[in-house]
Amino acid sequence: EVVLTQSPGTLSLSPGERATLFCRASQSVSGSKLAWYQQKSGQAPRLLIFGASSRATGIPDRVSGSGSGTDFTLTISRLEPEDFAVYYCQQYSSTPLTFGGGTKVEI
Amino acid sequence: EVQLLESGGGLVQPGGSLRLSCAASGFTFSSFAMSWVRQAPGKGLEWVSAISGSGTRTYYRDSAKGRFTISRDNSRNTVYLQMNSLRADDTAVYYCAKERRSEGDIDYWGQGALVTVSS
Repeated sequence: EVVLTQSPGTLSLSPGERATLFCRASQSVSGSKLAWYQQKSGQAPRLLIFGASSRATGIPDRVSGSGSGTDFTLTISRLEPEDFAVYYCQQYSSTPLTFGGGTKVEI
Repeated sequence: EVQLLESGGGLVQPGGSLRLSCAASGFTFSSFAMSWVRQAPGKGLEWVSAISGSGTRTYYRDSAKGRFTISRDNSRNTVYLQMNSLRADDTAVYYCAKERRSEGDIDYWGQGALVTVSS
């Protein structure tokens, strides 16, 4: 099973600042099959990034993903009020599909 | 517009059974794999099971093998999760999810169905 470790656990930032979130896999994620999701309280997750760096439909270009192998990064260049949420990475290169523990981005 | 509507959640005693249903609309249902993902109260996301578009291939996390069964009825655009021998640690919101290209990443999620296992 591929274990995903996200860091930091919590990120305290202000609107307009840059957010950098990390996701490290216990083994190489083949094909860069790594996705990022945003979840707000009481809501279902929303897909942000797939294939490590491709933005999902409707996601603004201030959100970007990068990385390969075992190390991946989600960057939000300028935080908007609606960006304060919990973010999860997920690998889908092998079953069981696994998620990271999440990073909370708070004001 | 893609819509996924779960039903069948509720309170069940340990050792009991429950069947979740997810009615899908807004896309060609049989062309996409579907997953169930759960979230225990205050915790992160945990993948439970997946089924191919045709229904011929199914996948489970270890803790679900032998207790849960995923199935689908493409004529009704519905996916199911039959859960037996339920335990307290199965308590969670269960999300029905559509896979983006049947590879495992998820582009649409239902609103979730709460399953509570308690005596």
